[in-house]
Amino acid sequence: DTAVSQTPKYLVTQMGNDKSIKCEQNLGHDTMYWYKQDSKKFLKIMFSYNNKELIINETVPNRFSPKSPDKAHLNLHINSLELGDSAVYFCASSHEAATIPDTQYFGPGTRLTVL
Amino acid sequence: GQNIDQPTEMTATEGAIVQINCTYQTSGFNGLFWYQQHAGEAPTFLSYNVLDGLEEKGRFSSFLSRSKGYSYLLLKELQMKDSASYLCAVMDSNYQLIWGAGTKLIIKP
Repeated sequence: DTAVSQTPKYLVTQMGNDKSIKCEQNLGHDTMYWYKQDSKKFLKIMFSYNNKELIINETVPNRFSPKSPDKAHLNLHINSLELGDSAVYFCASSHEAATIPDTQYFGPGTRLTVL
Repeated sequence: GQNIDQPTEMTATEGAIVQINCTYQTSGFNGLFWYQQHAGEAPTFLSYNVLDGLEEKGRFSSFLSRSKGYSYLLLKELQMKDSASYLCAVMDSNYQLIWGAGTKLIIKP
């Protein structure tokens, strides 16, 4: 009965590799997000999708590519991983479109470590 | 630029009351959120304020003053399980959430 789920929970990989993180929500929400939380604990928005359309892309390197096969899924693919990509990545979703204030529900996070 | 400020860490005693402050400077305002984040876990929603005043929800209350760019989260009858980070986030004119770094609250017996 998990609301927002992410896989994997932990991901350790070498520099230069390509990896993906998957996210699914069963809340029937219209909007999904990817956040990066760095070691200083700031949450920074990376992407937002509303009904499978990208509506925010916040100065994220093009090595990061979100893919939304349907409105319940928003996956994050990362090419050519760098040391600075090490962080916790959170997926989130909200009921309304991202142009209306609405509570966001977060997944458990994926801790990515790049060696 | 946009900025959210909150104390890095606070310590309080079990059973007591603690107030966590948040000041903000953002381009536009569409509401202020408080989230709780336990170590190693996801943030979970606590409260939302868009009008000035106090919103009470059980042991937790949140206050907003838009003219001062200021909010606080008030936690009463503290319990050990309240040990967590408390994140203040403001939704700006583009409906993006701007997050503070969080306040780590340590509860002592």
